Amino acid sequence: SQQGEEDPQALSIQEGENATMNCSYKTSINNLQWYRQNSGRGLVHLILIRSNEREKHSGRLRVTLDTSKKSSSLLITASRAADTASYFCATGQDSNYQLIWGAGTKLIIKP
Amino acid sequence: DAGITQSPRHKVTETGTPVTLRCHQTENHRYMYWYRQDPGHGLRLIHYSYGVKDTDKGEVSDGYSVSRSKTEDFLLTLESATSSQTSVYFCAMGQQGRDTEAFFGQGTRLTVV
Repeated sequence: SQQGEEDPQALSIQEGENATMNCSYKTSINNLQWYRQNSGRGLVHLILIRSNEREKHSGRLRVTLDTSKKSSSLLITASRAADTASYFCATGQDSNYQLIWGAGTKLIIKP
Repeated sequence: DAGITQSPRHKVTETGTPVTLRCHQTENHRYMYWYRQDPGHGLRLIHYSYGVKDTDKGEVSDGYSVSRSKTEDFLLTLESATSSQTSVYFCAMGQQGRDTEAFFGQGTRLTVV
């Protein structure tokens, strides 16, 4: 079953602009994570936000979490061509040792 | 990428043949996972392991089996490959579902013809 759903499915912006991706989930979580996947590569962890946190920053990344709305957003500021990739959210629950994944947002940064 | 490798990276096989994919890690992680990734879907869990000889099913385990005879190796076997198992397979390590990140291999692209 798919817990996270990313929105939009695809996003194309100009280099230098900000990119915002959203993730919604269905059940209670203990953390939410964002990963990046470059074409033909494995997934790379970007940032983890715990259920008791509302916002977290890492370099040009800003993640927010609203547990009342069961949603999260990932903001990439001042986008670069190298940010072109697919971005996935994944949620962790206390009940098991698994992550539940969304279908991803494909981000294209145009030079 | 570091510390976890998958082999082979690409494989073409015929319907009905058994196929084994290997995941090898050097980080001594107790937990290891096999996922498949298909267009329009996120990662879907096939099986995972929480220790040597300790494994459990994920949401898409039918047609797959796994083995973990030592900490560093986690094998995924397609018992009789079907075209619906054409996919990209990812191995991951690290205790998932808790406040820790997952580390992924580079993936194996499997085509069943």
